[in-house]
Formats: sequence, structure tokens, C-alpha cells
Amino acid sequence: EVQLVESGGGLVQPGGSLRLSCAASGFTFSTYSMNWVRQAPGKGLEWVSYISSSSSTIYYADSVKGRFTISRDNAKNSLYLQMNSLRDEDTAVYYCASPGPSGSYPGWGRGTLVTVSS
Amino acid sequence: DIQMTQSPSSLSASVGDRVTITCRASQSISSYLNWYQQKPGKAPKLLIYAASSLQSGVPSRFSGSGSGTYFTLTISSLHPEDFATYYCQQSSSSPYTFGQGTKLEIK
Repeated sequence: EVQLVESGGGLVQPGGSLRLSCAASGFTFSTYSMNWVRQAPGKGLEWVSYISSSSSTIYYADSVKGRFTISRDNAKNSLYLQMNSLRDEDTAVYYCASPGPSGSYPGWGRGTLVTVSS
Repeated sequence: DIQMTQSPSSLSASVGDRVTITCRASQSISSYLNWYQQKPGKAPKLLIYAASSLQSGVPSRFSGSGSGTYFTLTISSLHPEDFATYYCQQSSSSPYTFGQGTKLEIK
């Protein structure tokens, strides 16, 4: 069974940094691409970033490009999101999501809450 | 980016009702359309992928249809646990955008 556990969220001031982690188990992590998706309080889902299995291909949403960096460590079955220059509008629950058929996301973690506030 | 528009934004229905939620894409996405259910405080759950394929473990009262730019999610007979928010997502081209959501409430 796919298990994804996010960590690293918390309260940070505007302009600050935070590093999120996602520990994966129950599948061969090194052979799958991974994604980060976020949800602001009371709002809908927003895809944030994608990384291929070998880290050779990376995409970002325009809203985070130049500020966030996605990475992974296949030896540790872990996915990361380094978030710099955080803004109020980055406040959200951040989920890691694993891919399935036809580009769907069947695997989700429980999420970690990032609050950007002074 | 491809824009996904769901309607209605909210819907009131009763247990046993048949309900349909629609999702329109701003350009053709073939059958690269997925549906998710989300309950408060929980992660989204994949219901339907590739427009009409039922994810393993999802009850058969859920069905999806459509192709191109117009898609529907139908729940044939509402159960109490189906009251939630539903999202469509296109996976035709990056970024894989979501619709704004449809909140299904008990009448």
C-alpha cells in the first residue's frame, strides 16, 4: 500500500524559508515521478511542482517559480520542497502526491500546513 | 495553461438522489480527465481516471464520461458518505490544473 507522510510545515514570517519532506513507502519510489500539490485554507487544489523519477525533468507552477525547489533522494525514498521568499499567499496545506494511470494522482499524503504570517 | 471550469459550484441533494457534476476544459484534453473527492480535513481521493475508468475500491455508483472539452461525474444514488467536495483535474498537459471544486451538500 502506498504511504506518503509529509513533514516540515509550520509558522514562518514573510520572506522566510521552509523545507518540506515527504517520506514514501509501499512502492518502488525510485521509479515514479512525484508531485507537490497545495490547498490554501477554504480554497481549491493547486498543483505546485513535478519531478521525474531520475530528477532529470522538473516543472513548477508560475506562482512559485524561482522561489521553490523540488528535489528527491531515491536512496532515502524521500521527496523535498525547499521554499524560499515565502509570501502570505503561500499559506496552505502542502500534499505530496504519487502518480497513477493517465496522469492521475492516486496516492496522497495527509499534508503539512505551512502558515506564512508576521 | 488549460483552464478547468466546474458547474455547479455547490449543489444540495438528498440521500438516494442521482447527481451530475460537469467539468469543461478550455481546450481539448482528449480523455485526460480525473475526478477526486475530498472531505473536510482529509486529502483528496481519486475516484475516476481517464474520464471514465473507476479507481480500484471506488463504489460503482460513481461514473464518469466525456472527452474533448466536456466531462461529467455522475453519482447514481447518493449515500450519506458522498457529501463532500469534488474536483476535476486535467492531465493532458503541464501544469495539471484542477477545477475550482463542487461542494455537494445535504438538502
